[in-house]
Amino acid sequence: QKEVEQDPGPLSVPEGAIVSLNCTYSNSAFQYFMWYRQYSRKGPELLMYTYSSGNKEDGRFTAQVDKSSKYISLFIRDSQPSDSATYLCAMRAYNTDKLIFGTGTRLQVFP
Amino acid sequence: EPEVTQTPSHQVTQMGQEVILRCVPISNHLYFYWYRQILGQKVEFLVSFYNNEISEKSEIFDDQFSVERPDGSNFTLKIRSTKLEDSAMYFCASSGQGRNTEAFFGQGTRLTVV
Repeated sequence: QKEVEQDPGPLSVPEGAIVSLNCTYSNSAFQYFMWYRQYSRKGPELLMYTYSSGNKEDGRFTAQVDKSSKYISLFIRDSQPSDSATYLCAMRAYNTDKLIFGTGTRLQVFP
Repeated sequence: EPEVTQTPSHQVTQMGQEVILRCVPISNHLYFYWYRQILGQKVEFLVSFYNNEISEKSEIFDDQFSVERPDGSNFTLKIRSTKLEDSAMYFCASSGQGRNTEAFFGQGTRLTVV
């Protein structure tokens, strides 16, 4: 079983839709969870950072972590064409520097 | 807004040559990282650096690789004798006062080994 699994997509939605992006993981030691956005041939841009379980909201973005199910989600409300990018989940255990990334989900928002 | 800066944006080198990739982390950050992303694959951790020494490294980071903070602002990754399979995007990242803070990534250096 892969340490972090993420559906590669592509996910194609109309402008204004609510988008749900997900990752599952196998390592119960993960405690820090991040979502990054990556445009083609660019660096990952941090969107959300959460510790342990729970929800966090920032503007149109909501991150959810369910440690009991080993499942994290990113919701994007009122999606815009500019949201079209690859979304990477990443996570880390407490006593390590190493971020483990998912493969990324490619999102396309069409006008 | 502070950002991590990487140079060059693209480097082409011949197999067997040495390359140095350069990064200027965010100025008050204390932890520095290198990651790489082979085309079409995941972003992978290479190494972390704190207090002028390697904090952690992956199995990818073998003797061909080294990192250095030669002055108060730059952080470099050296690949001693490049191989074709070293072709990838290399990302530098930095984080603030502790490893458990957010890591911010640079735009990357695309390394092509021919």
